[in-house]
Amino acid sequence: GNSVTQMEGPVTLSEEAFLTINCTYTATGYPSLFWYVQYPGEGLQLLLKATKADDKGSNKGFEATYRKETTSFHLEKGSVQVSDSAVYFCALSTLSGNTGKLIFGQGTTLQVKP
Amino acid sequence: GAVVSQHPSRVICKSGTSVKIECRSLDFQATTMFWYRQFPKQSLMLMATSNEGSKATYEQGVEKDKFLINHASLTLSTLTVTSAHPEDSSFYICSARDSAGRINYGYTFGSGTRLTVV
Repeated sequence: GNSVTQMEGPVTLSEEAFLTINCTYTATGYPSLFWYVQYPGEGLQLLLKATKADDKGSNKGFEATYRKETTSFHLEKGSVQVSDSAVYFCALSTLSGNTGKLIFGQGTTLQVKP
Repeated sequence: GAVVSQHPSRVICKSGTSVKIECRSLDFQATTMFWYRQFPKQSLMLMATSNEGSKATYEQGVEKDKFLINHASLTLSTLTVTSAHPEDSSFYICSARDSAGRINYGYTFGSGTRLTVV
C-alpha cells in the first residue's frame, strides 16, 4: 500500500543552522508530494508541494525536490529561525478513486533554540 | 486564499453526550471533505471521506455509527461524535477539497477541534 516515512524527531537546532528532514514514500503510480507544517494547537498549513519527478517545491526558504529514483522528498532550509519551531508532516496523494485523500507521515517535531 | 473554518475550536463534554463539529469552506465549494483524528505527538489518521449529497466513506476500523458525518451542502460538513467517552478525546481536523481543483490541489485544512470528554 501507499505510505510515507519520516525521520523521527524531535530535531533540535540552533538558530541559523541548516535543516534537513528526511521523507521517503511508497506508492503505486505517480503521487503528488506535500510538506505541511503544524504550529501548536493549530491545524495544518501547506508549506510546499511537487507534482512530478524532479519538481522542486519551495516556500519561505524551505525546499524539497521530488526524487523518483530514491522515492524521497526531503525538506531543507538553509538557515532556520526560532519561528520555524513546529511539527512538519510529509504527505502524498495518489488521487485514487477520485477522492485524493492524503496519506501522512508520522510528523517530525522541530525545535529551534535562540 | 482558501479558508476552511472549523468550529468549535475547543469543547468539553460529559461522557455519554454527543458533540457536533462543523467544517465550512468559506470561499470555495467542496464536493469532498476529509475528517482526521490526531492523538498527542502522533500523525493524522484519516477517519472518513465526506461526499456532498451522499454517504461518507469510512476508513477501516472507524465506527460509522459513532462518528456520524453529514455533508448536506457544498460548503458544510459536520462530524458528530455520539455517546462520547473519554477515549474519544482527541484533536479532530477537517480538510476541504476545492471542487474545481484550483487551490493547493484541494487540501485546505481547518484549525482543528480539541475534544475533551470528562
